[in-house]
Amino acid sequence: SQTIHQWPATLVQPVGSPLSLECTVEGTSNPNLYWYRQAAGRGLQLLFYSVGIGQISSEVPQNLSASRPQDRQFILSSKKLLLSDSGFYLCASSIRTEAFFGQGTRLTVV
Amino acid sequence: SQQGEEDPQALSIQEGENATMNCSYKTSINNLQWYRQNSGRGLVHLILIRSNEREKHSGRLRVTLDTSKKSSSLLITASRAADTASYFCATDANQGGKLIFGQGTELSVKP
Repeated sequence: SQTIHQWPATLVQPVGSPLSLECTVEGTSNPNLYWYRQAAGRGLQLLFYSVGIGQISSEVPQNLSASRPQDRQFILSSKKLLLSDSGFYLCASSIRTEAFFGQGTRLTVV
Repeated sequence: SQQGEEDPQALSIQEGENATMNCSYKTSINNLQWYRQNSGRGLVHLILIRSNEREKHSGRLRVTLDTSKKSSSLLITASRAADTASYFCATDANQGGKLIFGQGTELSVKP
């Protein structure tokens, strides 16, 4: 099975600061990779997904971007954080069927 | 856009009772999956049902799929306090790898 490494677990950042969240995958090759955001008590909003290196699909126009520089590395970035970027960010990986999730990063923008 | 929508949003039952959660979706799918999330953690895959299947079992879990109604249900039998969590359906909507989740059902099982 796949193991998803996602860090940090919690992050407090000031408004206007940059963001870089990294996710790496073990145990598979050429997975589909995903970034989701979850507001408190709500469902998962798909932000970005990637079916291969350098291939990024953006689902929601916003203040964030994603990159996949290597097969098993997926990075979520922002140049200037907004208060509305606060939330629980989850990285996931799948090979056509079930998805494996990291433990998430709780981002608080202050 | 949301593909899966679960109901109810919240469900509270006593240990030993059965819990039923429903999911509706909008487009044709390859498969439908159910996941569980403990508070503040990542999601864990429970069960997958393919579009050509109507029912599937795994332990105390039973999933049904009605593609004509674009709906699925998850039944947890003989619930336990440890089943307390949020449950999400997710659909692989045949869109090149896109995996869309619903809003989830928050299940509380009281001992």
